Amino acid sequence: NAGVTQTPKFRILKIGQSMTLQCTQDMNHNYMYWYRQDPGMGLKLIYYSVGAGITDKGEVPNGYNVSRSTTEDFPLRLELAAPSQTSVYFCASSPTGGSSYEQYFGPGTRLTVT
Amino acid sequence: GQSLEQPSEVTAVEGAIVQINCTYQTSGFYGLSWYQQHDGGAPTFLSYNALDGLEETGRFSSFLSRSDSYGYLLLQELQMKDSASYFCAGMNRDDKIIFGKGTRLHILP
Repeated sequence: NAGVTQTPKFRILKIGQSMTLQCTQDMNHNYMYWYRQDPGMGLKLIYYSVGAGITDKGEVPNGYNVSRSTTEDFPLRLELAAPSQTSVYFCASSPTGGSSYEQYFGPGTRLTVT
Repeated sequence: GQSLEQPSEVTAVEGAIVQINCTYQTSGFYGLSWYQQHDGGAPTFLSYNALDGLEETGRFSSFLSRSDSYGYLLLQELQMKDSASYFCAGMNRDDKIIFGKGTRLHILP
């Protein structure tokens, strides 16, 4: 199993550009999450999904969109990138959101908006 | 609001024991998780406490007191490779995880 994979690993965007961060998991997990982590800070939840076709907002959803058409994939879309979106983005998955709280994280995407 | 408070940094000596505290101000949190993150890496799961008391996993133990809204991570027989950031995280009733800002653990030889 590859676990959770994310692409790209690094990206530099100009202000106003758009991009999609890809996330795929091969563990057949129902729950998937997108976090951002600013330097020296904890993780903040952007969006999450409890299964294919179902998504919901986290703490900091503004400026982002997600979709979940399959169990495996959970892409994060940035529209009209802003410098405030410079961060490291982590995708994670877990079997459930209830009794099992172990989240498996991808390696992250380091995004700079200039 | 919902927040988890941790010390920003802790320093300990190799071979010693260190405790990293986490207090939370919220209602509705159930369960406390701990994650480790090395510089430049992704968080990895260490432990989870659903009930009050101590959970032990090798050199690491985690404790929760729901009545005190308090938990801690205990690391024994510290090794240099334990130098990392440690995050506590709580799951609220909306299935949303809230992370603390993390504690940077420095280990001296």
